[in-house]
Amino acid sequence: DAGITQSPRHKVTETGTPVTLRCHQTENHRYMYWYRQDPGHGLRLIHYSYGVKDTDKGEVSDGYSVSRSKTEDFLLTLESATSSQTSVYFCAISEWEVADTGELFFGEGSRLTVL
Amino acid sequence: RKEVEQDPGPFNVPEGATVAFNCTYSNSASQSFFWYRQDCRKEPKLLMSVYSSGNEDGRFTAQLNRASQYISLLIRDSKLSDSATYLCVVNPGGEKVTFGTGTKLQVIP
Repeated sequence: DAGITQSPRHKVTETGTPVTLRCHQTENHRYMYWYRQDPGHGLRLIHYSYGVKDTDKGEVSDGYSVSRSKTEDFLLTLESATSSQTSVYFCAISEWEVADTGELFFGEGSRLTVL
Repeated sequence: RKEVEQDPGPFNVPEGATVAFNCTYSNSASQSFFWYRQDCRKEPKLLMSVYSSGNEDGRFTAQLNRASQYISLLIRDSKLSDSATYLCVVNPGGEKVTFGTGTKLQVIP
């Protein structure tokens, strides 16, 4: 299995608090992604990165920011959490552009509950 | 219309049965197609790519129908371990891919 670690795996927080999810990889893959998965919506891309300090928005980026200061770490920050951000968050990595190979390796997910 | 649509199921089939899922996509310019498998409360994992000529991997066969804009996944001789949600993934062009909401399969003893 690809070396991807997400932390924390579970978090309960209150509306208005900041939250940071961390994704750490040991594969030295160039591309990293943050997705959220909700019933009825499937996996939706929040942000992605194609290199250190190179990031771009996905389809549901409002309310989220990311940073990638090292190849191995990709952080997702909710500046002020809202109940609509209650979800399961998956980090994924790929060596090549996913459109070409379709191959994404996912972390185990981080379950976030915003009360 | 959603970019990628799947019947959510569940498909309940007995062991040994053959089952097929379809996934429709709206963008006729879509470039590439994939099937992922996701076990309950686990991360998705790539099952197979879908080529224009179709492809087979053991009991699994994936096909693409560009004229009707759908891809299919056929599972023969279903096993209990095949129980999972199967996600259709489409590249509509560009750098990203779009996931379907998944079809749940339950194989019954």
